[in-house]
Amino acid sequence: EDKVVQSPLSLVVHEGDTVTLNCSYEVTNFRSLLWYKQEKKAPTFLFMLTSSGIEKKSGRLSSILDKKELSSILNITATQTGDSAIYLCAVEHNNNDMRFGAGTRLTVKP
Amino acid sequence: DAEITQSPRHKITETGRQVTLACHQTWNHNNMFWYRQDLGHGLRLIHYSYGVHDTNKGEVSDGYSVSRSNTEDLPLTLESAASSQTSVYFCASSETFNQPQHFGDGTRLSIL
Repeated sequence: EDKVVQSPLSLVVHEGDTVTLNCSYEVTNFRSLLWYKQEKKAPTFLFMLTSSGIEKKSGRLSSILDKKELSSILNITATQTGDSAIYLCAVEHNNNDMRFGAGTRLTVKP
Repeated sequence: DAEITQSPRHKITETGRQVTLACHQTWNHNNMFWYRQDLGHGLRLIHYSYGVHDTNKGEVSDGYSVSRSNTEDLPLTLESAASSQTSVYFCASSETFNQPQHFGDGTRLSIL
């Protein structure tokens, strides 16, 4: 059965800390892996990863895909309170079918 | 600016009623999706469409239906609402395959 597993489920850190969020997957016909940030409403797109070993970076956030290990990590350096959110990992497979993980709830304390 | 809008934002209804949630996008995207989000499950795909008159079942399609009569709209219908369908529903769209999906702000549906 196709599945996407994120860890940890929740995380509490202090401002300035660096965090690493994990996503592992088991799907047939993998196409891409996506990371989203969800605050109060709609998830907003962060990264799309299709190739193994190539880091994508946006400011303090970065992500990389490991197709051999069927996993991805999302790193956030120098965390800020505005980074507090649920981070969702999703895997696209089989003609655009998308499977989401349960999410990691990140809380950044001042 | 192009956008994706969902309505209503909140709805309360009774079991057995038919309910329709609206989703409208102005990006002219071919692909549209409906998800439900529940604690512990993340987002689960209900139905999706690749274009006008195309619809496909997702992971949790039982009890739901969609129709795509034009590019902009993909309404989601609960034929006979059940309490297990109480959830937050998100609509999303994407231009094509391998493009990120853009999400609406969600509809919180409570079935009593």
